[in-house]
Amino acid sequence: GAGVSQSPSNKVTEKGKDVELRCDPISGHTALYWYRQSLGQGLEFLIYFQGNSAPDKSGLPSDRFSAERTGGSVSTLTIQRTQQEDSAVYLCASSQMLGGGQPQHFGDGTRLSIL
Amino acid sequence: DAKTTQPNSMESNEEEPVHLPCNHSTISGTDYIHWYRQLPSQGPEYVIHGLTSNVNNRMASLAIAEDRKSSTLILHRATLRDAAVYYCILRANNNAGNMLTFGGGTRLMVKP
Repeated sequence: GAGVSQSPSNKVTEKGKDVELRCDPISGHTALYWYRQSLGQGLEFLIYFQGNSAPDKSGLPSDRFSAERTGGSVSTLTIQRTQQEDSAVYLCASSQMLGGGQPQHFGDGTRLSIL
Repeated sequence: DAKTTQPNSMESNEEEPVHLPCNHSTISGTDYIHWYRQLPSQGPEYVIHGLTSNVNNRMASLAIAEDRKSSTLILHRATLRDAAVYYCILRANNNAGNMLTFGGGTRLMVKP
């Protein structure tokens, strides 16, 4: 079946611009996660959604970052007034539900480059 | 999440089995053991997970020590496509386990 889909695959933008990154999770998965991965670095958690519950935003690095999930499916991560340190691969994952026993399935990410 | 220790790198020959070790001596009783891998320029890929018993799926097998302080990911027949960084992760069965955190992982190189 279809996996997690992210768009765009690559995004180059100028410092100070806003960007929107999109994630289509696996159908039926109630939990959706955003991470980012800088070059040669590990995975950094940003935010997760579970059903209609309030999202866990504890990983968002600043108030320039926000995310929403409409209709319990598609999610958009927005970065306002981008800075060079925002350059990274932004990864989306989904799982059937929350929990330590639930595998997370990832998209191939959006590679964001801030000039 | 409790810490895991993996070798930085391993080499294997194509079509041979590969055993990737992971030590997790501080594992708690309800922590799940997960393995993910990441190929170059791709997102992480779930491989397998388990709690106490050994597990098999179409990708690999997971052997868990009786005291759960170590585990081994087994690729039964390595292919060139298996060259990747393999991450062993412990995930708590509470809110803290909802997020993944990758350590250094093991870079597996497969020789033809």
